[in-house]
Amino acid sequence: NAGVTQTPKFQVLKTGQSMTLQCAQDMNHEYMSWYRQDPGMGLRLIHYSVGAGITDQGEVPNGYNVSRSTTEDFPLRLLSAAPSQTSVYFCASSRPRTSENTGELFFGEGSRLTVL
Amino acid sequence: AQSVTQLGSHVSVSEGALVLLRCNYSSSVPPYLFWYVQYPNQGLQLLLKYTSAATLVKGINGFEAEFKKSETSFHLTKPSAHMSDAAEYFCAVTHSSNTGKLIFGQGTTLQVKP
Repeated sequence: NAGVTQTPKFQVLKTGQSMTLQCAQDMNHEYMSWYRQDPGMGLRLIHYSVGAGITDQGEVPNGYNVSRSTTEDFPLRLLSAAPSQTSVYFCASSRPRTSENTGELFFGEGSRLTVL
Repeated sequence: AQSVTQLGSHVSVSEGALVLLRCNYSSSVPPYLFWYVQYPNQGLQLLLKYTSAATLVKGINGFEAEFKKSETSFHLTKPSAHMSDAAEYFCAVTHSSNTGKLIFGQGTTLQVKP
């Protein structure tokens, strides 16, 4: 079972470069999201999506773009990388919270990004 | 607005000792609460979840947590720590909007000493 798959696992960029972090899930989850993890700050939400064609901003969206053309994929784009974007990025997916489902998140293994 | 506070960014216990990781939450709606564990260089794995079915929740690896509405707490405990429990632990609450968002605490790093 693949679950949530993120690529690449590690990336080093120079300031000003752009790149895309890929995320794919094979659980047919409606919801997908991107978080960044920084020491002492827990996980902070960057962008999220409740379905194909629908995205919205989270807590720290500046400098990042997303799109959701399919249910399975939710790529995160860094338009012009800055040292402040050095972080570990996690993609997650879930089903809507219902009386039968708690809406827990399933996480990928993370992508560690360093911006020089 | 909802929030989660984890008291203590680092907790150190001896092997075999009780583990207690504290979590307090604020929520305007009945909360769904979670504890996740992150081992070094890995993603987050669900330890346990509270869904209002029972206030004492048992999870994987011998962990459990008790939901106390009067104290707005959801502390994580384990009677006897193992070396393999060394990891970072995150408490989280679902966002009231039901859009797949979780609000996380700052995390607690558990160190287990031999």
